Amino acid sequence: GEDVEQSLFLSVREGDSSVINCTYTDSSSTYLYWYKQEPGAGLQLLTYIFSNMDMKQDQRLTVLLNKKDKHLSLRIADTQTGDSAIYFCAETTSGGSYIPTFGRGTSLIVHP
Amino acid sequence: DGGITQSPKYLFRKEGQNVTLSCEQNLNHDAMYWYRQDPGQGLRLIYYSQIVNDFQKGDIAEGYSVSREKKESFPLTVTSAQKNPTAFYLCASSRADTNTGELFFGEGSRLTVL
Repeated sequence: GEDVEQSLFLSVREGDSSVINCTYTDSSSTYLYWYKQEPGAGLQLLTYIFSNMDMKQDQRLTVLLNKKDKHLSLRIADTQTGDSAIYFCAETTSGGSYIPTFGRGTSLIVHP
Repeated sequence: DGGITQSPKYLFRKEGQNVTLSCEQNLNHDAMYWYRQDPGQGLRLIYYSQIVNDFQKGDIAEGYSVSREKKESFPLTVTSAQKNPTAFYLCASSRADTNTGELFFGEGSRLTVL
């Protein structure tokens, strides 16, 4: 199976909250990341969380980490049409070269 | 402004031709990377380099080659040996003295083989 798994699509109404989920398999994960990719562009780091943290909040973004279940989520409050993009979950692991392993990405579609 | 520049943004090539994608960064980063992105498959690592004059194969290096003669530059050649070269190619860089693994990406190059 894949190291990092995400569902491929999520559709939400403008103004609602979006929750994008990710599961990973490596228990030696050190950092977990959320990257955003707008159409035809590269990826930008949105936020990251160290593996000894449970939660991180940054304005409209909330990251939750459940180490026991190896589950990471990204919540976007008050989702706007400008949030429509592909969101990638990624991890780095201890003992490695600190090169992130990426999930397949979740396409978030925000409709009026 | 500091950043990563990829060129060209769009490229068409005939089967059997080699093509080189450019990647330049002025972030003073030691490490550079090439990823391939296909719809629904996420990012797959082709090659990476953590220091000048040294590079390592990633997960899908076959049919590709790179060089790292300067810290700022990491060009990728897609050779005729690559069976399915049509894809979106992303270059990235990172600091080597940190373990956060944060990558900075270019805007990508879309290669289409006719």
